[in-house]
Amino acid sequence: SYVLTQPPSVSVAPGQTARITCGGNNIGSKSVHWYQQKPGQAPVLVVYDDSDRPSGIPERFSGSNSGNTATLTISRVEAGDEADYYCQVWDSSSDHPQVVFGGGTKLTVL
Amino acid sequence: EVQLVESGGGLVKPGGSLRLSCAASGFTFSSYSMNWVRQAPGKGLEWVSSISSSSSYIYYADSVKGRFTISRDNAKNSLYLQMNSLRAEDTAVYYCARDPSSSSPVGQWFDPWGQGTLVTVSS
Repeated sequence: SYVLTQPPSVSVAPGQTARITCGGNNIGSKSVHWYQQKPGQAPVLVVYDDSDRPSGIPERFSGSNSGNTATLTISRVEAGDEADYYCQVWDSSSDHPQVVFGGGTKLTVL
Repeated sequence: EVQLVESGGGLVKPGGSLRLSCAASGFTFSSYSMNWVRQAPGKGLEWVSSISSSSSYIYYADSVKGRFTISRDNAKNSLYLQMNSLRAEDTAVYYCARDPSSSSPVGQWFDPWGQGTLVTVSS
């Protein structure tokens, strides 16, 4: 089955840039979506189709995807960005497609 | 405003059954595929099942296949998850989530999500 690998944690100072990676075999050939989840809340979509932002999501959130790594980049990090972030793809390599989530990355704002 | 409200969670014994519901409002429910995603306490997200707008496409995670059944009633703007043969490892908050497709949900994303309902499987 397809596996997505994320670093368990990323730390960044306010105002700096955070990069959260999501590794998978030839992930560049898939559409990657990213979610932000704050404690006690439901996940919120922050990037879809590798690099598109839903309405209401700040331009500071961006995404890229190539080769074996997709990346969520958060520029000018704010305290309110502290959360868990998950990447997600569909694995349709078999006759029964499955959704795969990465293990999640806890973003800490120092 | 788009709203998804889950209900039906609770405490159930191993081997028991439970039926979750998700009431949708603020959008044309019959035009969208829907999904269930769960999150065990302190753990990450795990996809459970997806269903297309007309129920033509239905997919399950290997971990629940044969035990869980997803369904929908477009006339009632509702999504369901029938859970049988429940195990301790099914303990989680269960979220329903919309995706942007009307046909096959493969490749799509989840937006928005409901607030979730907690299912606890314990003796």
